[in-house]
Amino acid sequence: DTAVSQTPKYLVTQMGNDKSIKCEQNLGHDTMYWYKQDSKKFLKIMFSYNNKELIINETVPNRFSPKSPDKAHLNLHINSLELGDSAVYFCASSQEGHSYEQYFGPGTRLTVT
Amino acid sequence: AQTVTQSQPEMSVQEAETVTLSCTYDTSESDYYLFWYKQPPSRQMILVIRQEAYKQQNATENRFSVNFQKAAKSFSLKISDSQLGDAAMYFCAYRSPLTGTASKLTFGTGTRLQVTL
Repeated sequence: DTAVSQTPKYLVTQMGNDKSIKCEQNLGHDTMYWYKQDSKKFLKIMFSYNNKELIINETVPNRFSPKSPDKAHLNLHINSLELGDSAVYFCASSQEGHSYEQYFGPGTRLTVT
Repeated sequence: AQTVTQSQPEMSVQEAETVTLSCTYDTSESDYYLFWYKQPPSRQMILVIRQEAYKQQNATENRFSVNFQKAAKSFSLKISDSQLGDAAMYFCAYRSPLTGTASKLTFGTGTRLQVTL
């Protein structure tokens, strides 16, 4: 059973398009995150939701909009894609007040051409 | 704000040997959590080991152990009996015990570990 899953794993699209990445966790965790890993492998937090409530919104262009329909799902929608959005996007989850470990999905490699 | 520094962009170790990856961090908090994550070429982020700052004992997980020096704000990872499967990027990460906006992981820039025969 996959703990944190993301779809799609690869996404190739043209500039200006709108795309979504979906994330689901079956660990029963109450907090989910989106991280971005750039071409130099640096990982940075983008968003976090706790029980469907947005709690972290780092300095990210407003073309990026997360949505959490329930605490097991966190999706990332990106409007008007730009070349600089090319990166690997990781979803993660954790249970607050428990072990504080974050479990990561397999990542989605987004390539904007 | 917390920062995490990994000063070794690349390291190499021979199979069966021991290697130590360095990590330092900066924080004003007295309690926190530290992690090492491994990212093999498959790009999956795998938790290797964790350390709670309030615990003096260094964490160990099989061949992986840490040297946690709280006063020096240092958190190095030692890999013993290195195996080919250990080749990966290794990331050190910091986590505040606070919830809400502090719940994020702050990562270092990573160390690429090469394992040679």
